[in-house]
Amino acid sequence: QVQLQESGPGLVKPSQTLSLTCTVSGGSISSGGYYWSWIRQPAGKGLEWIGRVYPSGSTNFNPSLKSRVTFSVDTPKNRFSLQLSSVTAADTALYYCARSSNSLDAFDVWGQGTMVTVSS
Amino acid sequence: QSALTQPASVSGSPGQSITISCTGTSSDVGAYSDVSWYQHHPGKAPKLMIYDVSNRPSGVSNRFSGSKSGNTASLTISGLQAEDEADYYCSSYTSLSTWVFGGGTKLTVL
Repeated sequence: QVQLQESGPGLVKPSQTLSLTCTVSGGSISSGGYYWSWIRQPAGKGLEWIGRVYPSGSTNFNPSLKSRVTFSVDTPKNRFSLQLSSVTAADTALYYCARSSNSLDAFDVWGQGTMVTVSS
Repeated sequence: QSALTQPASVSGSPGQSITISCTGTSSDVGAYSDVSWYQHHPGKAPKLMIYDVSNRPSGVSNRFSGSKSGNTASLTISGLQAEDEADYYCSSYTSLSTWVFGGGTKLTVL
């Protein structure tokens, strides 16, 4: 059974870059047909899709965040990462990683989430 | 892209049925069958309840059902149980090759 686990600093200073990693266990990140997404939830608000990466490197982004987001995939370590630059307090949120696929166009596996606070 | 529109809250008594609506546009909900629903208990990971408008993943109770008409998708929960109390989110694929979520609906079981 595939499981996802987010990790990274819980506190980031304004204007700096937020970096998170999602480690995949119970399956290979490079097995065909799966996309790997980042989704966030500010306190008291709804879910916001940040973007997704395919192991080949193909990406899609939320237009509102595209200019600040970078994804990477580390196949040997079975993990993928998010970098969000020039953060502000508005980027304070619970960040989730999740899996979707071509055959099941929905997010069927989620991490537990990691809280990131942007504050000086 | 704008978030899909969901009611902020719905409520029902045990055993009753409730329906949560999710309204988008002709560029997302209206254009694709890639509409899904998630149950979210605070502090836990969201759980996929419905995908492709009306399909249930293995292990999800058949009390949960989904449908779509035009730009509006709906989640119906029948035979409400206490453990159904949670936040529910809809999601849709969009014409920009992105995903968009609804603002979430808090379900209270009275």
